[in-house]
Amino acid sequence: DVKVTQSSRYLVKRTGEKVFLECVQDMDHENMFWYRQDPGLGLRLIYFSYDVKMKEKGDIPEGYSVSREKKERFSLILESASTNQTSMYLCASSFGGGGSYEQYFGPGTRLTVT
Amino acid sequence: GQQVMQIPQYQHVQEGEDFTTYCNSSTTLSNIQWYKQRPGGHPVFLIQLVKSGEVKKQKRLTFQFGEAKKNSSLHITATQTTDVGTYFCAPSLDSNYQLIWGAGTKLIIKP
Repeated sequence: DVKVTQSSRYLVKRTGEKVFLECVQDMDHENMFWYRQDPGLGLRLIYFSYDVKMKEKGDIPEGYSVSREKKERFSLILESASTNQTSMYLCASSFGGGGSYEQYFGPGTRLTVT
Repeated sequence: GQQVMQIPQYQHVQEGEDFTTYCNSSTTLSNIQWYKQRPGGHPVFLIQLVKSGEVKKQKRLTFQFGEAKKNSSLHITATQTTDVGTYFCAPSLDSNYQLIWGAGTKLIIKP
């Protein structure tokens, strides 16, 4: 079974802090994604990566950056956390790119910025 | 960006009643995926539809892709408590484009 793990289930940070969210997948998937999920808005893509050291902006990249130094690991960075970044963050991976392959999700990190 | 409309936002049903959620786009879609998210859980892939007019069944779940490839539906027959959760459609405009997520339909079983 594909396993996608995220470093924390719950995280509380203060405004202005730098926040790192880590995601690791164990199926040698090429593509990895970071989404945020807010009630009534579905999943919104922040960034994705289709290869090591490659990254592409999604729909809402402002205030975020990412890093993919190894194939299995994709990190989301909030350079200076703000209260409007309080949300559920979901990491996903897939074998291939675009919309042709199913995505496997991690359990999510619920981030609260106070 | 490109939007998809998923309706309804919520549906309350008695156990044993049917449930349907619809996903509509103004643009022709390449394919569409459906996911289920249980309360407190993460989205889990259910199925992918690719062909115009395609119908696929998984036990009590029936998935349809419209003839014009602009809409899709998920129908659950005789709902059970295990069906509770939010169902998302996630179409793609092109095989090279990322998924576009609907807002989801939350299935609630009335006590």
